[in-house]
Amino acid sequence: GDSVTQMEGPVTLSEEAFLTINCTYTATGYPSLFWYVQYPGEGLQLLLKATKADDKGSNKGFEATYRKETTSFHLEKGSVQVSDSAVYFCALSQKIGGTSYGKLTFGQGTILTVHP
Amino acid sequence: KAGVTQTPRYLIKTRGQQVTLSCSPISGHRSVSWYQQTPGQGLQFLFEYFSETQRNKGNFPGRFSGRQFSNSRSEMNVSTLELGDSALYLCASSLGRGTAGADNIQYFGAGTRLSVL
Repeated sequence: GDSVTQMEGPVTLSEEAFLTINCTYTATGYPSLFWYVQYPGEGLQLLLKATKADDKGSNKGFEATYRKETTSFHLEKGSVQVSDSAVYFCALSQKIGGTSYGKLTFGQGTILTVHP
Repeated sequence: KAGVTQTPRYLIKTRGQQVTLSCSPISGHRSVSWYQQTPGQGLQFLFEYFSETQRNKGNFPGRFSGRQFSNSRSEMNVSTLELGDSALYLCASSLGRGTAGADNIQYFGAGTRLSVL
């Protein structure tokens, strides 16, 4: 079945450092890929998405590129802030016959802590 | 526009009891999906409802069930609770028309935290 693997955490950075969180997936066909973020005590918020190979998703300074050849969707940010401290989840949704259904397969999550 | 609303936010139950959780989707959204989040297993898909029909189901025992009403609101029920059912239960809604792009973006509620004693 489909699966998503994220880099082991937690990740601790100083403010303004460069961030990379690795994400690779195993899936048949051409899934859509997502990054979600979860702040303490809250649900998940969509950070960015990509629906086909070579698409780049971006939002709030975060970027990720859909790489089909390496089955990866790594999250990057050039300069992190204390307010970026949260748990980040990589996820995919499968398309069946061109139709997407409401099932997300998640990675295990990566805890990011940014110190001033 | 109001977001996804889950009630209650917190629940404490004892083993053997049953529980019902509620989810009100974003207005206009017809798909509701449920997920269980635990420290050990992470986020796992329970099921999805679209237009009052279960369209997709995860790998959970039959004690976990759900339904969706004509106004798209959804409920999830867990019968004969076990200690291992303690988790954060998240509901997500989407337009659910099933094409790539905006239609398959899921918007999450804040969750219901269930503790089984």
